[in-house]
Amino acid sequence: DAGVIQSPRHEVTEMGQEVTLRCKPISGHNSLFWYRQTMMRGLELLIYFNNNVPIDDSGMPEDRFSAKMPNASFSTLKIQPSEPRDSAVYFCASSLQGLDLRAFFGQGTRLTVV
Amino acid sequence: ELKVEQNPLFLSMQEGKNYTIYCNYSTTSDRLYWYRQDPGKSLESLFVLLSNGAVKQEGRLMASLDTKARLSTLHITAAVHDLSATYFCAVVRNDYKLSFGAGTTVTVRA
Repeated sequence: DAGVIQSPRHEVTEMGQEVTLRCKPISGHNSLFWYRQTMMRGLELLIYFNNNVPIDDSGMPEDRFSAKMPNASFSTLKIQPSEPRDSAVYFCASSLQGLDLRAFFGQGTRLTVV
Repeated sequence: ELKVEQNPLFLSMQEGKNYTIYCNYSTTSDRLYWYRQDPGKSLESLFVLLSNGAVKQEGRLMASLDTKARLSTLHITAAVHDLSATYFCAVVRNDYKLSFGAGTTVTVRA
C-alpha cells in the first residue's frame, strides 16, 4: 500500500483565497483524521471521521474551515477565506478501528498564506 | 482535559551514550504511542503500548508504559547519529483522539 497520500505537498496562497487540501487514506482504514502542526501549538486534531461520518469537529478553528469525506477513499479540508494565521503543516492520518488504533500519517501539506 | 507532557523538550546526545525521554499524562488511558518525525517529514509510528507494564523494543529504542504512574519512557541505548529526530508520545482519549506531547527534539553529536 502507498500509505496515506496528501496533495498538494506545498501550497502558497494569498490571504482571502480558498484553499483545498486533499487526502486519500490507506485502503481498508475506517477512521480518518486531519491534524494541524505549528511551532506554537504543536499537533492539534481538527476533525475525525469514522466510516465517512464526521464524529468530532471540535478542533476546527472556526467556520472558515470545513471538511468532507464523500467516500472511504477521499477527504478534503477547505479553508475559505484563508488567513496568514492558517499557515501550518496539515496532516491527514488514517487508522483501522480496533485495539491498536495506530494512526498512519500522510506526508503533510505545508500551507503558507501571505 | 487530557494533558501530555514530555521532557526534556530538547536533548543533545553524545554518540554511544544512553538516554531516556519521559512522557507523563494526566488522565487514565491504556494506549500510548510513540512517533518519530524527521525535519520536514511526516510522523512515523514507532511503538504502540497497550497495557500496563508493556515493553517494546526496536533496535536501540525501547519503550515502556506504567499506566498507574501515567508514565511512559523511551530509552535510547548507545545513541547514533541517525536517531536525530523529534520524538512524540501520544495518548488516546475517547477511543480515538490522540493527544500529543510537545515533542522531544533529539540531536546526536559525535
